[in-house]
Amino acid sequence: GQQVMQIPQYQHVQEGEDFTTYCNSSTTLSNIQWYKQRPGGHPVFLIQLVKSGEVKKQKRLTFQFGEAKKNSSLHITATQTTDVGTYFCAVNLQGAQKLVFGQGTRLTINP
Amino acid sequence: ETGVTQTPRHLVMGMTNKKSLKCEQHLGHNAMYWYKQSAKKPLELMFVYSLEERVENNSVPSRFSPECPNSSHLFLHLHTLQPEDSALYLCASSQERQGVNNNSPLHFGNGTRLTVT
Repeated sequence: GQQVMQIPQYQHVQEGEDFTTYCNSSTTLSNIQWYKQRPGGHPVFLIQLVKSGEVKKQKRLTFQFGEAKKNSSLHITATQTTDVGTYFCAVNLQGAQKLVFGQGTRLTINP
Repeated sequence: ETGVTQTPRHLVMGMTNKKSLKCEQHLGHNAMYWYKQSAKKPLELMFVYSLEERVENNSVPSRFSPECPNSSHLFLHLHTLQPEDSALYLCASSQERQGVNNNSPLHFGNGTRLTVT
């Protein structure tokens, strides 16, 4: 069935290193949302991308939507310990009326 | 602080028990959702309510029974659960129901950590 693949599943970095998670779909997406879930917490909305090739920035976070609207990435520059958590993409497949979440990328950081 | 409140935060129940999870949103949203989060699995959508009407039941077993008495409250009634139902149950709300032309962000509650023994 239709689904979204998110990679990597886990990522461990040294504080100060960069981090990227990728979200890929075999079908064209209407849009994509990104969420962050801190350990022991709940998912919190970060951003939504709608347009082909769109790039949005939030401080050290850069979000990209692919030209074909089939993939997206979240890049964190110079990670800090506060970035620890699991990052989820959530997609709205064309023709569907619900969000489908990726498996998430769990980021841990060595201070 | 989340505008979506869930109680209880933790629940341990036996397989023959009946319990209910409660969710209340203070955001004036029109859509509410139940999600299940298990280890090593993506967030699974269980139920969707839009303006108090159930619009989606994502093939959830009948031992889970939702109730939405008004647009601010959502319940999940549990009975004769199985150990594999142990998970984090998350309630969420959005301004409008997720759709092709409308993607209001989801606001999640803190969740209920359920353990079935």
